[in-house]
Amino acid sequence: GNSVTQMEGPVTLSEEAFLTINCTYTATGYPSLFWYVQYPGEGLQLLLKATKADDKGSNKGFEATYRKETTSFHLEKGSVQVSDSAVYFCALNAGGTSYGKLTFGQGTILTVHP
Amino acid sequence: KAGVTQTPRYLIKTRGQQVTLSCSPISGHRSVSWYQQTPGQGLQFLFEYFSETQRNKGNFPGRFSGRQFSNSRSEMNVSTLELGDSALYLCASSLTSLQETQYFGPGTRLLVL
Repeated sequence: GNSVTQMEGPVTLSEEAFLTINCTYTATGYPSLFWYVQYPGEGLQLLLKATKADDKGSNKGFEATYRKETTSFHLEKGSVQVSDSAVYFCALNAGGTSYGKLTFGQGTILTVHP
Repeated sequence: KAGVTQTPRYLIKTRGQQVTLSCSPISGHRSVSWYQQTPGQGLQFLFEYFSETQRNKGNFPGRFSGRQFSNSRSEMNVSTLELGDSALYLCASSLTSLQETQYFGPGTRLLVL
């Protein structure tokens, strides 16, 4: 079946540090890939997405590139801020008959200290 | 455009009771998906509805059911509640759900005592 594996957290960084959160996936066909962020007490917000191989998604300084050869979609940010502290989820939609189904990784808790 | 709304935001129930949660999608979105989020199992897909039809279902017991109305609003029902049903229930909407972005509501936090 389809699955997503994220690097284990929590991740603790100082402000302005470089961030990488690894994400690898297993899926048949050509999935769409997503990063979502969840702030305390809230639902999930889309951070970025990519729908085909070599696509780069970007938003608010975050980037991720769809790498089909390594089945990866790692999240990066060059300089994190305290306000980036949240839980980050990598997810895929496998397409085909996977109507409306996102498969999520376990989430990575990010804490950024001033 | 208003986002996805869910009601109620918080619920406390006792074992054996049933509960109904409501979700109003973004205007124009016809697909609604439901997820359960728990610390132990993470985010798990419950089911998806499109034009009042359930098109996809996750691995949950039959106590979990849902429906969608002609205005795309959706409800999910959990009967005979168990302690393990305590979770954050999230709904998400998209235009057609075909590998599109899903937009999430704030969730309903259910506590079963």
